[in-house]
Amino acid sequence: DAKTTQPTSMDCAEGRAANLPCNHSTISGNEYVYWYRQIHSQGPQYIIHGLKNNETNEMASLIITEDRKSSTLILPHATLRDTAVYYCILGSINAGGTSYGKLTFGQGTILTVHP
Amino acid sequence: DGGITQSPKYLFRKEGQNVTLSCEQNLNHDAMYWYRQDPGQGLRLIYYSQIVNDFQKGDIAEGYSVSREKKESFPLTVTSAQKNPTAFYLCASSIGGYADSPLHFGNGTRLTVT
Repeated sequence: DAKTTQPTSMDCAEGRAANLPCNHSTISGNEYVYWYRQIHSQGPQYIIHGLKNNETNEMASLIITEDRKSSTLILPHATLRDTAVYYCILGSINAGGTSYGKLTFGQGTILTVHP
Repeated sequence: DGGITQSPKYLFRKEGQNVTLSCEQNLNHDAMYWYRQDPGQGLRLIYYSQIVNDFQKGDIAEGYSVSREKKESFPLTVTSAQKNPTAFYLCASSIGGYADSPLHFGNGTRLTVT
């Protein structure tokens, strides 16, 4: 069963902000929200992750709703090089308090940035 | 520079042959993973290892085998028992396999079996 739901595709104009939504209504208390992206024929690239609070780094911002059932990845000034498949996934801690770090990747959102 | 190296980038084999894909990391990460990606699909976990000399099956382990004799190396063997071996294979690592630990990926090996 998919744990996250993302739109299949999105478009964004170069220089504008790209806002990528993700629904994770069954998220549990110890699950982190991760975002990765994959450019064709390359390995996925880590972007950002968070638990409860909003996070920002040099690549993007992550906004997590208060109930944690959804989140949004924001690329503040999209460029043509940001065209990629973006994956929203959950990383969990098992009941034993340790994590095997297993992340399940779905099909993601194809973001196309156009001039 | 620290990172994950997968080799070769492209690999061709005849049906019925076993083939081993290499994955080496110099990030000093404890956990390593193998994923498979088919065209237009997401990643599926084959095997993972949290520590040297230990590994666990992922979602699609049938027809694959791994070893973890050294911290920096996690080779994957695609055996002749794997029904559809042609795919893009990705290796990844993380610190300790904790939930607060991003995965670092290699650039993959594209295996074609004919």
